[in-house]
Amino acid sequence: EIVLTQSPATLSLSPGERATLSCRASQSVSSYLAWHQQKPGQAPRLLIYDVSNRATGIPARFSGSGSGTDFTLTISSLEPEDFAVYYCQQRSNWPITFGQGTRLEIK
Amino acid sequence: EVQLLESGGGLVQPGGSLRLSCAASGFIFSRYAVAWVRQAPGEGLEWVASVTGSGDSTYYADSVKGRFTISRDNSKNTLYLQMNSLGAEDTAVYYCAKAAYSSGGYFDYWGQGILVTVSS
Repeated sequence: EIVLTQSPATLSLSPGERATLSCRASQSVSSYLAWHQQKPGQAPRLLIYDVSNRATGIPARFSGSGSGTDFTLTISSLEPEDFAVYYCQQRSNWPITFGQGTRLEIK
Repeated sequence: EVQLLESGGGLVQPGGSLRLSCAASGFIFSRYAVAWVRQAPGEGLEWVASVTGSGDSTYYADSVKGRFTISRDNSKNTLYLQMNSLGAEDTAVYYCAKAAYSSGGYFDYWGQGILVTVSS
């Protein structure tokens, strides 16, 4: 099973600041890495797929990068609605696995 | 507009069974894999099971293998999850998720989730 480790567990920032979230895989997932956003009481929403492709309707301030085992989700300038929990997910091998999540909170 | 609507959740006793359903609309159901993903209270996301678009192949997390069965009825645009031998560790919100491809892939649409509580 591929283990995804996200860091930090919690990130405290202010609106307008840049957020950088990390996801590290226990073995290579090639480019099969996605990011999902989840707000309290809501279902997850796909943000980024295959490392760097934004899903439909996702603003350009969200970007993804990386390859192999190390990946980054960057939010260039935080908006109030961006404070949420973010999960990375790999689809390279079965079982599909998720990271434990990074909570992005308002400072 | 893609919509996924789960039903069938609720309170069940330990050792009991429950069947979840997910009614899909807004896309050609048979062309895409679909999956169940769960989230225990206050915890992260855990993939449970997936089925390919044709229904020919199924995949399970080790934590549910032998107890849960995923299936689909493409004529009814509906996904199912039969859950047997339920334990407290199965208490969670269960999400139905559409995959991007017939064989699987990332989850591009999610249902709103349905709560399953296993308790006496």
